[in-house]
This record gives sequence, structure tokens and C-alpha cells, in this order.
Amino acid sequence: DAKTTQPTSMDCAEGRAANLPCNHSTISGNEYVYWYRQIHSQGPQYIIHGLKNNETNEMASLIITEDRKSSTLILPHATLRDTAVYYCIVRLYSGGGADGLTFGKGTHLIIQP
Amino acid sequence: DGGITQSPKYLFRKEGQNVTLSCEQNLNHDAMYWYRQDPGQGLRLIYYSQIVNDFQKGDIAEGYSVSREKKESFPLTVTSAQKNPTAFYLCASSEQGQGLYGYTFGSGTRLTVV
Repeated sequence: DAKTTQPTSMDCAEGRAANLPCNHSTISGNEYVYWYRQIHSQGPQYIIHGLKNNETNEMASLIITEDRKSSTLILPHATLRDTAVYYCIVRLYSGGGADGLTFGKGTHLIIQP
Repeated sequence: DGGITQSPKYLFRKEGQNVTLSCEQNLNHDAMYWYRQDPGQGLRLIYYSQIVNDFQKGDIAEGYSVSREKKESFPLTVTSAQKNPTAFYLCASSEQGQGLYGYTFGSGTRLTVV
């Protein structure tokens, strides 16, 4: 699996868009980018994933650069409840995915009132 | 509602004692996983099971044991051989074919060994 690099922490004002970057310069052509988040003392929660095209769902948008070496997770209108650690994971979509996935340290996003 | 239940939420044990953490899911998922998280760190995979009566070691299996006698249950035993057992333990499950976005996590058990 390709290695990812994320900032350790970020601040964002409540109501503004939070943009979380992730570098994955060694990503291969068939590896997907996944984002999870973990609110303090809870289990991680799936947010979104993508391969090449930008993706959007009810929680967030994922922007992947054309060379696929980096991506940005966008929370369009951040609220205090979005304060969490955000993990960027790059991995082959194996279909089964049943051999576990690996989380790095992620980015601690703090939403300021 | 379907989900994963981990119990207890907080657990205290004396050094040298084995302790078993419970994980039950009613999602009918085939695969289940145990992760360990230390303060300020990411999650590390301990064991995983793709099907009943079968399980595989993850990255940090030493000092831990598991069983998978039922599809719904995947208990983790932290043995006295685990050198540094104090940590936050997370159980997860996924349906075969769902890939990474199909992972559902429990709320975790915080184990403190004194």
C-alpha cells in the first residue's frame, strides 16, 4: 500500500470549509484513496473514497489531483462536531478487503467556535 | 439497530492476568478485526477473521489470542505475555466484497493494566 503524508493538526473556524490535504506520491494506478475520521474515544467512521474522479456525498467532497499524487478532503460547512482525527488511506480495492487496513496518525482537525 | 457492541467500555486488570475483551456484531458481516490504538497514534491490526473458525495474525499479534466460533462473536484475549497491554482496543467488521468503505467499528474498550 502507498504511504500517505498528512499534517499533524489543523484549525478551522466554524461554518467555514475545512480542507484537509493528503500526499500519496507513490500511489499506483489501481489504488484508491479512502478517508475515515475518528471522534475522540470512538471507533473510526467511513467518510468517502475515490480513484480518479472527484467524489461528493452527504458528508464531504474528495478532490484528487490529475496525477493522483495528492488529494484534499473538503468539509463544506464545518461544525464543532467535525472536530476529530481524519485519516487518509491509500489501498488497493481488493473486493473483499478482509485482510484489514492500516491507519496512520492522521490529521487532528479542530473546529473553532 | 445493527451494529457492533464492545464490552466493557473500561477495564482494569492487574499485571500478569489474562483478560478477554468482548466483540459482538449483528450486521451479518463475515469478516471481523481487532485493532489497538495507543495515545496519539494510529490503529494497528492485531488479528482478523474472514470466516468462522478461521483467523489470521495482523501486524502486532504477539501476546494476544482470538477465537471465532460464531459469526457474530470475535473475542480477544490479552495474555500476560503482552508486554504493554494498556491501550484502547477497537473491534470492526465488514461484509465480504464491501472493501474498505464497508468497515463498521465498535466504540472500543479502554484497558488499563496496573
